[in-house]
Amino acid sequence: SQQGEEDPQALSIQEGENATMNCSYKTSINNLQWYRQNSGRGLVHLILIRSNEREKHSGRLRVTLDTSKKSSSLLITASRAADTASYFCATDLEAGTALIFGKGTTLSVSS
Amino acid sequence: EAQVTQNPRYLITVTGKKLTVTCSQNMNHEYMSWYRQDPGLGLRQIYYSMNVEVTDKGDVPEGYKVSRKEKRNFPLILESPSPNQTSLYFCASSLSTGDGYTFGSGTRLTVV
Repeated sequence: SQQGEEDPQALSIQEGENATMNCSYKTSINNLQWYRQNSGRGLVHLILIRSNEREKHSGRLRVTLDTSKKSSSLLITASRAADTASYFCATDLEAGTALIFGKGTTLSVSS
Repeated sequence: EAQVTQNPRYLITVTGKKLTVTCSQNMNHEYMSWYRQDPGLGLRQIYYSMNVEVTDKGDVPEGYKVSRKEKRNFPLILESPSPNQTSLYFCASSLSTGDGYTFGSGTRLTVV
């Protein structure tokens, strides 16, 4: 069963622009995490936001969480070509024992 | 350097020939997990382990086995691989179930 769904599936922007990706989920969570994956490589943990937090920042990343709407967004400001990758949200369920990953958003940043 | 090491990175094998993909972490993490990644299906959990000698099935455990005899190692065993197990496999570990995962670099397996 798919818990997290990212939107859009693909996003193309120019360097310097901001990129926003959204994630919706279905059941109550302990936390929500975002990961980045460069083509065919391992996923890299970007940021974790707990269910009692509404916003979190890390460098050029800003994550928001709205538990009433069961949604999260990842904003990458001032994008660079090196940000080109797939981005996944993952939910840690209250009743779960594993992170459940969405299918990802593919971001392409052109110079 | 804190890391999860998977071997091999690439493997081509024939149907029915038993194989093992190794996974080792040097962070003293309690939780370890195996995922497979397939186009259009995303990442799906195969097995996980919450500590030594404690393992349990994920969403797609059929055709796989695991063991956790030591904290650092969590090998994935395919007793009789079939072509539908052709996939990109990732091992991951974390301090506990709700923490951020550290992923290995992946093993691309092709079963012919």
